[in-house]
Amino acid sequence: GQQVQQSPASLVLQEGENAELQCNFSTSLNSMQWFYQRPGGSLVSLFYNPSGTKHSGRLTSTTVIKERRSSLHISSSQTTDSGTYLCALELNNRIFFGDGTQLVVKP
Amino acid sequence: NTKITQSPRYLILGRANKSLECEQHLGHNAMYWYKQSAEKPPELMFLYNLKQLIRNETVPSRFIPECPDSSKLLLHISAVDPEDSAVYFCASSRREISNERLFFGHGTKLSVL
Repeated sequence: GQQVQQSPASLVLQEGENAELQCNFSTSLNSMQWFYQRPGGSLVSLFYNPSGTKHSGRLTSTTVIKERRSSLHISSSQTTDSGTYLCALELNNRIFFGDGTQLVVKP
Repeated sequence: NTKITQSPRYLILGRANKSLECEQHLGHNAMYWYKQSAEKPPELMFLYNLKQLIRNETVPSRFIPECPDSSKLLLHISAVDPEDSAVYFCASSRREISNERLFFGHGTKLSVL
């Protein structure tokens, strides 16, 4: 939606490369979440990160409220990381999803 | 994710009536129905908190939600339209959306003939 802009729209990596996915928002927010979705699959919550930096394995999420952005860093990408990554911001009891980044990791 | 179960997984309908079912085993108070059309992010349809309908987005009247108890959510669909073809996700959170992590079920893929 217009509240949330994700970039890039798509990304192709060679296995082992790192990726930086961005989410920019036009308003203040209460919370920020990152989700992962395989084609035809459900949404898996990766991070609930309203501010600051969080780590989970090869994934790192950083949200900087003042700059109205959140990023998802994937290090040492694997083919199993392929899929769509969605950020979602919550504001005034409404969740706004970005359009997602489609990631393809080639062997 | 077996903590939020949805049924059926796949549904093919003509202009018929059907109900989608969801049950969450997380002890959450808030439950949601989302619709995800192809190549698009999920869109909220309905939000229940403690069995009360809190939010009802602009959804055709042929979609009627029901929350028989705080762990179960139903979506009754009557006379489906081809534009209803999508994946319908049930989701839950500990409380209403504000500052709460959202968990999704596997979804029901609806194909309208």
